[in-house]
Amino acid sequence: ETGVTQTPRHLVMGMTNKKSLKCEQHLGHNAMYWYKQSAKKPLELMFVYNFKEQTENNSVPSRFSPECPNSSHLFLHLHTLQPEDSALYLCASSQSPGGPEGNEQFFGPGTRLTVL
Amino acid sequence: AQSVTQLDSQVPVFEEAPVELRCNYSSSVSVYLFWYVQYPNQGLQLLLKYLSGSTLVKGINGFEAEFNKSQTSFHLRKPSVHISDTAEYFCAVSDGDTDKLIFGTGTRLQVFP
Repeated sequence: ETGVTQTPRHLVMGMTNKKSLKCEQHLGHNAMYWYKQSAKKPLELMFVYNFKEQTENNSVPSRFSPECPNSSHLFLHLHTLQPEDSALYLCASSQSPGGPEGNEQFFGPGTRLTVL
Repeated sequence: AQSVTQLDSQVPVFEEAPVELRCNYSSSVSVYLFWYVQYPNQGLQLLLKYLSGSTLVKGINGFEAEFNKSQTSFHLRKPSVHISDTAEYFCAVSDGDTDKLIFGTGTRLQVFP
């Protein structure tokens, strides 16, 4: 595997379900990100992890719970979601903030989430 | 705080015509600028980036962009588009000190035969 991978690619869940999204980066990067992309809305940054430490929580509801066990893996645990949470969830990684690459981010293909 | 404005939400164009997608950012001492492309049901892919040096940046798929500091712009251009260029294009800026990219709202490029 190369680049940034995300599983599953598609997920349908009920409002009472608990599920997790997984992201893995094979680039040796130190920072990882979760974004939410809804139809007709700008890309929304949700969480940032830098060297496994959370450095940003962009006022995300507690029904979304991130986990970063190491610099290569990032999870988004979902529980009691609402239909308005249906969106494309994108994971990204970057080398490190302030580095020579200017924080260029590499994106995974996304998980298309539908909440019924 | 940094901000990015993409003035056009949609740009329709015929195949083989030239296209320009506009991007303006809020002023800062130093910025790093990026253009990403998103094809349907896919993640974002880097088209090109400006970090320093020459203000004319060439990217993949025949795209180029010019960094204009006085006008705080980073417009994306292609001299002749193809049907396959139909996608959403995002401009983004980073000041390099934080661990965030600030994205514009995107421009939908629709290429017609």
